[in-house]
Amino acid sequence: DGGITQSPKYLFRKEGQNVTLSCEQNLNHDAMYWYRQDPGQGLRLIYYSQIVNDFQKGDIAEGYSVSREKKESFPLTVTSAQKNPTAFYLCASSTLAGTSGAEGTQYFGPGTRLTVL
Amino acid sequence: QKEVEQNSGPLSVPEGAIASLNCTYSDRGSQSFFWYRQYSGKSPELIMSIYSNGDKEDGRFTAQLNKASQYVSLLIRDSQPSDSATYLCAVGNNRLAFGKGNQVVVIP
Repeated sequence: DGGITQSPKYLFRKEGQNVTLSCEQNLNHDAMYWYRQDPGQGLRLIYYSQIVNDFQKGDIAEGYSVSREKKESFPLTVTSAQKNPTAFYLCASSTLAGTSGAEGTQYFGPGTRLTVL
Repeated sequence: QKEVEQNSGPLSVPEGAIASLNCTYSDRGSQSFFWYRQYSGKSPELIMSIYSNGDKEDGRFTAQLNKASQYVSLLIRDSQPSDSATYLCAVGNNRLAFGKGNQVVVIP
């Protein structure tokens, strides 16, 4: 059963703590993305990766870090430097535009809701 | 920064009516255009993609793209209560910019 999984579904962080959100896909997609969504807001891009061992900052990368050691996995670490991390975090993956005719359609995982205590 | 605007406030439509959503974008180089539906507390799910000017129909949904005017729209025909959700417009090439969304409420 192909898809994107994110864990955990809910996560609670204490002040000064780093936490890591997991994202795994078995769709054989080259590209993976992390977004943050705040209430009543659209999606804001944190980081994205189009190939293993390479990633680029999005619009709001400060206080976050990522790695892409495997094609299937793109974990996101929310560091203590992120001062307002409470949000809904969404991971997505896609083929690269122009490679399959799907023109970079992004598919989303179920999300992780992070709350700072 | 590339911008995607969805300016309409919440849209209430009677069951069976047509819901019309609009989206404008700033980057003329954008090649891919998507509409996602997001239920409260859930992740976005793709409902339509469109890449060339004109209309694209899929069941009760029709996407319309006008690159010269830089807008993309979504029509939902025969609206059902299950269509009540927030609809996100996304535009770009691999890296997508998302609008803030339009909430649709279908009234039985």
